[in-house]
Amino acid sequence: QKEVEQDPGPLSVPEGAIVSLNCTYSNSAFQYFMWYRQYSRKGPELLMYTYSSGNKEDGRFTAQVDKSSKYISLFIRDSQPSDSATYLCAMSLNQGGKLIFGQGTELSVKP
Amino acid sequence: EPEVTQTPSHQVTQMGQEVILRCVPISNHLYFYWYRQILGQKVEFLVSFYNNEISEKSEIFDDQFSVERPDGSNFTLKIRSTKLEDSAMYFCASGDRDDEQFFGPGTRLTVL
Repeated sequence: QKEVEQDPGPLSVPEGAIVSLNCTYSNSAFQYFMWYRQYSRKGPELLMYTYSSGNKEDGRFTAQVDKSSKYISLFIRDSQPSDSATYLCAMSLNQGGKLIFGQGTELSVKP
Repeated sequence: EPEVTQTPSHQVTQMGQEVILRCVPISNHLYFYWYRQILGQKVEFLVSFYNNEISEKSEIFDDQFSVERPDGSNFTLKIRSTKLEDSAMYFCASGDRDDEQFFGPGTRLTVL
């Protein structure tokens, strides 16, 4: 079983749709969970950061962590064409520790 | 807004040559990292650096790789004898006590 699994997509939605992106993981010791956005041939850009379980909201983005199910989600409300990118989940065991990334989900938001 | 910078943006080298990839982390950060991403694959951890020493390294980070923080601002990754399979995007990242890691734009390394 892969340590972090993420559906690579591609996922195509119309502008204004709610987007749901998900990752599952196998190591229950992960404590820190992040979502990054990566445009083609660019560096990952940190979108959301969550410690342990719960929800976190920032503008149109909501991150959820369910440690009991080993499942994390990122929701994007009112999606825009500028949201078109690859979304990477990442997680770590400890503060300052290495990040383990998912494969990334390619999202396309059509005008 | 402060950001991580990396140079060069693209490096082409011959197999067996040494390369040095350079990074300037965000100035008040304490944790420094190198990751790489082979085209079409996951971002992979290489090494982390804290308090002037390596804190963790992956299996990829063998004796051909080394890191250095030669002064208060730069953080470098050296590959002593490059192989074809070292061709990838190399990302530097830095973090603070809150554990968020911020990535640079990457250096695309092409080994011929």
